[in-house]
Amino acid sequence: AQSVAQPEDQVNVAEGNPLTVKCTYSVSGNPYLFWYVQYPNRGLQFLLKYITGDNLVKGSYGFEAEFNKSQTSFHLKKPSALVSDSALYFCAVRSGGYQKVTFGIGTKLQVIP
Amino acid sequence: NAGVTQTPKFQVLKTGQSMTLQCAQDMNHEYMSWYRQDPGMGLRLIHYSVGAGITDQGEVPNGYNVSRSTTEDFPLRLLSAAPSQTSVYFCASRPTSGSDGTDTQYFGPGTRLTVL
Repeated sequence: AQSVAQPEDQVNVAEGNPLTVKCTYSVSGNPYLFWYVQYPNRGLQFLLKYITGDNLVKGSYGFEAEFNKSQTSFHLKKPSALVSDSALYFCAVRSGGYQKVTFGIGTKLQVIP
Repeated sequence: NAGVTQTPKFQVLKTGQSMTLQCAQDMNHEYMSWYRQDPGMGLRLIHYSVGAGITDQGEVPNGYNVSRSTTEDFPLRLLSAAPSQTSVYFCASRPTSGSDGTDTQYFGPGTRLTVL
């Protein structure tokens, strides 16, 4: 079985400050990890993924995520938040060789001007 | 490329009615899936398909049927709608092989379904 935990329902951050959205996972085997963003009344959009290689992954819109195998975490980060980053963020995981992707419940990011 | 398209965008059903949610993609992706999104529950996988003629159940398959007769289309059928099926439904697709884009899912805009 595979699972994803996003421990924060909502994260509030002031514009210009760094942001972190947390994600931990559980899989048997090597994890494939993803972050998606959802703007109001829209479908999900891909941000970044970790498959293998460097633990720090860079993605769209200045976002990055750090894969930590010992802590089974894949936290999403951005050095300087923008008001336009306000959205719902989903972490997802797939175990290698297994086709299903499991999503977390989502974290609402609110960037305050 | 239109990407992943879904119809209808909105639908209201009465309990017991049946309907089909349509999903199509023009990217020649092998893998397609249906999710439902509910507040506090995130996205839950209903059914998925790894190619034409091959489907399998996800986490919450009860009350839903799927078929995959072509690579492009993956309709979701509600046989007898129930209020518990009120949700936003998303279709997604991705390639299952290839050097680029593997594992990146492309989502449709969603169908908002209300069952009275």
